[in-house]
Amino acid sequence: DVKVTQSSRYLVKRTGEKVFLECVQDMDHENMFWYRQDPGLGLRLIYFSYDVKMKEKGDIPEGYSVSREKKERFSLILESASTNQTSMYLCASSSEGASYEQYFGPGTRLTVT
Amino acid sequence: GQQVMQIPQYQHVQEGEDFTTYCNSSTTLSNIQWYKQRPGGHPVFLIQLVKSGEVKKQKRLTFQFGEAKKNSSLHITATQTTDVGTYFCAGRYAGNNRKLIWGLGTSLAVNP
Repeated sequence: DVKVTQSSRYLVKRTGEKVFLECVQDMDHENMFWYRQDPGLGLRLIYFSYDVKMKEKGDIPEGYSVSREKKERFSLILESASTNQTSMYLCASSSEGASYEQYFGPGTRLTVT
Repeated sequence: GQQVMQIPQYQHVQEGEDFTTYCNSSTTLSNIQWYKQRPGGHPVFLIQLVKSGEVKKQKRLTFQFGEAKKNSSLHITATQTTDVGTYFCAGRYAGNNRKLIWGLGTSLAVNP
């Protein structure tokens, strides 16, 4: 079974802190994604990566950056956390190609106070 | 921009009633996927539709892709409490096959 793991299930940070969210997949997938999910707004894509060291902006990249140094690991970085970044963050991975579904991690609920 | 509209946003049904959620795109999709997210869980892939007019069934779930590949539906027959959750459609467009464009989801509540 494909497994996507995220470093924390719950996280509480203070405004202005630098926050790292880690995601690891074990199926050698080329593509990895970071989403945030807020009530009534569905899943919004922040960034995605289709190869090591490659990244593309999603729909809401402002205030975020990403890093992919190894194929299995995709990190989301909040350079200076703000209260409007309080959300559920979901990582996903998929194989290359249009036919492949996305596999999601359990999510990290981040609260910024 | 590319958007996938999904309706309704919420649906309450009595156990045993049918349920349908609809997705619509203004432009032609390459394919469309459906996911289910249980309360407190993460989205889980259900199915992918690729061909014009395609219909696929999974037990009590029926998925359809429109002839023009601009709309899709998920129909659940005789809902059960285990069907509770949010159902998302997510489409792909030609020229950007890596990204999924997500509908906002339909939250289904089932009264026993």
